[in-house]
Amino acid sequence: QVQLVQSGAEVKKPGASVKVSCKASGYTFITYGITWVRQAPGQGLEWMGWISAYNGDTNYAQKLQGRVTMTTDTPTSTAYMELRSLRSDDTAMYYCARGGRTTAADYWGQGTLVTVSS
Amino acid sequence: EIVLTQSPGTLSLSPGERATLSCRASQSVSSSYLAWYQQRPGQAPRLLIYGASSRATGIPDRFSGSGSGTDFTLTISRLEPEDFAVYYCQQYGNSPLSTFGQGTKVEIK
Repeated sequence: QVQLVQSGAEVKKPGASVKVSCKASGYTFITYGITWVRQAPGQGLEWMGWISAYNGDTNYAQKLQGRVTMTTDTPTSTAYMELRSLRSDDTAMYYCARGGRTTAADYWGQGTLVTVSS
Repeated sequence: EIVLTQSPGTLSLSPGERATLSCRASQSVSSSYLAWYQQRPGQAPRLLIYGASSRATGIPDRFSGSGSGTDFTLTISRLEPEDFAVYYCQQYGNSPLSTFGQGTKVEIK
């Protein structure tokens, strides 16, 4: 069965970076993209961006351009999302999901809570 | 960027009633690329509908999606206790960037 398992919770100071991993199983990794979505406490879903696991093409939300990098490692079927220059308003649950530019997000990871606090 | 506006913000209904949720786009969206998700408290979102009207795997047929252009609707024909949750629409594939609506909470009246 398709599973996406994310890395554990992180606590970071303002200005630091965080890298969240998302390990996929149960399907051929390179045939789907990985979408990243975040959700601040008590708020709605925010699309962060997408990466093709086939060729590494990416699209990022405009507000995160320059601070976010999404990558994949095909041998381990793992996707990564790195967010730099963290601010308090980056505190959120971060989700990865299987899905790409023209496919809906059909399987989701369990989420990774990132807390940014001094 | 395509903005999706969901209404109402909160829908108060009783089990067994029909729920109708709206998602309006700021510009025309291809029906092929409009999805609906359900999120229960403390859980990750779950895909319900893709392509505006196709149910995802394992989704009960009381959930249905419709619409085209700028107006889309999610209908839950008879609310079950587990359907009380927050619902989000999403457009994808219409531009390089995807967006979500702000969500509609369906609560027990």
